[in-house]
Amino acid sequence: KNEVEQSPQNLTAQEGEFITINCSYSVGISALHWLQQHPGGGIVSLFMLSSGKKKHGRLIATINIQEKHSSLHITASHPRDSAVYICAVLKTSGSRLTFGEGTQLTVNP
Amino acid sequence: DTAVSQTPKYLVTQMGNDKSIKCEQNLGHDTMYWYKQDSKKFLKIMFSYNNKELIINETVPNRFSPKSPDKAHLNLHINSLELGDSAVYFCASSHLRSISGNTIYFGEGSWLTVV
Repeated sequence: KNEVEQSPQNLTAQEGEFITINCSYSVGISALHWLQQHPGGGIVSLFMLSSGKKKHGRLIATINIQEKHSSLHITASHPRDSAVYICAVLKTSGSRLTFGEGTQLTVNP
Repeated sequence: DTAVSQTPKYLVTQMGNDKSIKCEQNLGHDTMYWYKQDSKKFLKIMFSYNNKELIINETVPNRFSPKSPDKAHLNLHINSLELGDSAVYFCASSHLRSISGNTIYFGEGSWLTVV
């Protein structure tokens, strides 16, 4: 079992829908990153969280440290949001990121 | 200016060859990383250097050898390439002591295909 689990693995939505991607982890962490990977492209860090909630445009990320859970929300989704979204945690015991397997999001027009 | 740049972006080579992937960052970060992304899109760390010193060395074959000539560069050399080495290799950088407070920057990836 991976230390970082994401759900769903695949998600298809219609343009305009509200989207939620979940990340659960089983280790102590000092931070959690949400990353975005476009098809054929590189990886971009969307958020770094250690507590609470962050918002950037239509993206909102939340984390509950006690429940070891984070969510990434996309409001008013758009086809350009289609990408793989990856959750990564920085364990308190080290300096390396441990990654979830990613969620493939497809937003249809 | 690209913050983390990798070259080449695409590389097709025959089994048994030796190849290198180069990475440079212009962010002033003190730590650089090499990650491998397999066909299932799962990212795994391979190596990390902090101020030119190796700090993370995961279980990867000895055929993989990182080299950091200075803290802005981290190159990956692969000897005797095998079919299973086909993957996307990502370079990244951050401030080590601030990785929990600052973000990590990734390169565009290097698509390696071994035939």
